[in-house]
Amino acid sequence: GESVGLHLPTLSVQEGDNSIINCAYSNSASDYFIWYKQESGKGPQFIIDIRSNMDKRQGQRVTVLLNKTVKHLSLQIAATQPGDSAVYFCAVLTASGTYKYIFGTGTRLKVLA
Amino acid sequence: NAGVTQTPKFQVLKTGQSMTLQCAQDMNHEYMSWYRQDPGMGLRLIHYSVGAGITDQGEVPNGYNVSRSTTEDFPLRLLSAAPSQTSVYFCASSYSIHWRGGYNEQFFGPGTRLTVL
Repeated sequence: GESVGLHLPTLSVQEGDNSIINCAYSNSASDYFIWYKQESGKGPQFIIDIRSNMDKRQGQRVTVLLNKTVKHLSLQIAATQPGDSAVYFCAVLTASGTYKYIFGTGTRLKVLA
Repeated sequence: NAGVTQTPKFQVLKTGQSMTLQCAQDMNHEYMSWYRQDPGMGLRLIHYSVGAGITDQGEVPNGYNVSRSTTEDFPLRLLSAAPSQTSVYFCASSYSIHWRGGYNEQFFGPGTRLTVL
């Protein structure tokens, strides 16, 4: 079945620097991808999404890149701020017609002052 | 809008007890789902629904039942609680499962922290 993995469990970044969080998926037929942010004690919060017919999508200070050839997506956060400290998850919607989201295990982003 | 609400926030059960976790949304969303989150792990899908009267199993459905009699409500029932079901449970909803630009955003509830002794 589909699997989703994140490359690093923890990422420490200096305040003001850019952060890059990576995610790999296994099913080449997957067609919809989402990044979530989860702060301690709260539910996940939608950050940005991208569909398989796109390579890049930008939001406010965030960019998602999708490389379908190697089944990899990344979340880039520009000018990382203390408020960005959280756990970040990628989620993949399987294209099998069963409407199931598969989540990665998460990367904890620590912003250093 | 209240968004996605979940009750209770915390619950302690004894092994073998049953209970229902409540989830409601007031956004007229078609798609609703239940996840569990264990320490150090991502969210795992338990059950989901693409509309009233329609439910299906996710990754880890054993020990849980759901029903969707209305668009707004999607309760999760634990039939006979086991210590392995100790977890944080999240309910989520989205306008549609199909791509409609930004309308696919899943909104999550605040979670229910369940402990089974």
